[in-house]
Amino acid sequence: TQLLEQSPQFLSIQEGENLTVYCNSSSVFSSLQWYRQEPGEGPVLLVTVVTGGEVKKLKRLTFQFGDARKDSSLHITAAQTGDTGLYLCRADKLIFGTGTRLQVFP
Amino acid sequence: GEEVAQTPKHLVRGEGQKAKLYCAPIKGHSYVFWYQQVLKNEFKFLISFQNENVFDETGMPKERFSAKCLPNSPCSLEIQATKLEDSAVYFCASSQILPEAFFGQGTRLTVV
Repeated sequence: TQLLEQSPQFLSIQEGENLTVYCNSSSVFSSLQWYRQEPGEGPVLLVTVVTGGEVKKLKRLTFQFGDARKDSSLHITAAQTGDTGLYLCRADKLIFGTGTRLQVFP
Repeated sequence: GEEVAQTPKHLVRGEGQKAKLYCAPIKGHSYVFWYQQVLKNEFKFLISFQNENVFDETGMPKERFSAKCLPNSPCSLEIQATKLEDSAVYFCASSQILPEAFFGQGTRLTVV
């Protein structure tokens, strides 16, 4: 049973556009992480959120943990081609989300 | 080392053969995790260790799959009598503080 559902599954946009990726669950988590995976590589940790309602920023990426700690979002402002990759959320029960594959075109 | 080292990078096995994958965690990290990635998206958790002890094995198939983390040796994941559906990329990760994890580059297993 997949506990973490991500949406959208695929996203194809042009450089400069904004986007939001969602990670949803019916379970409550004590923390949640976001990773990015590029082809041929392992996932790389972007951020960990631990407090309900917490917002963290990493340059053009904004991460939010839901108030009830059941969901999270990742917002990218003015996407660049270097943002292309597979974005994964992962919760404290070590389960990964279903993944969002982002393609940013020049 | 400063990164998780997985070997081999690629492994091809005929159906029914054994496959053994290795993982050297980052020095000082006491947690090791194994994941299976199929279809380029889905990550399936297999097993985790705290030092040489199994921490969580809820994702580990009961048959054919086994794993070890012994002192002073790389951790290993072994698949007996491989099947076509075992073809996947197997990732190892290590951690000093849960739940954050640092991943290796994976071992691509192809069963033919």
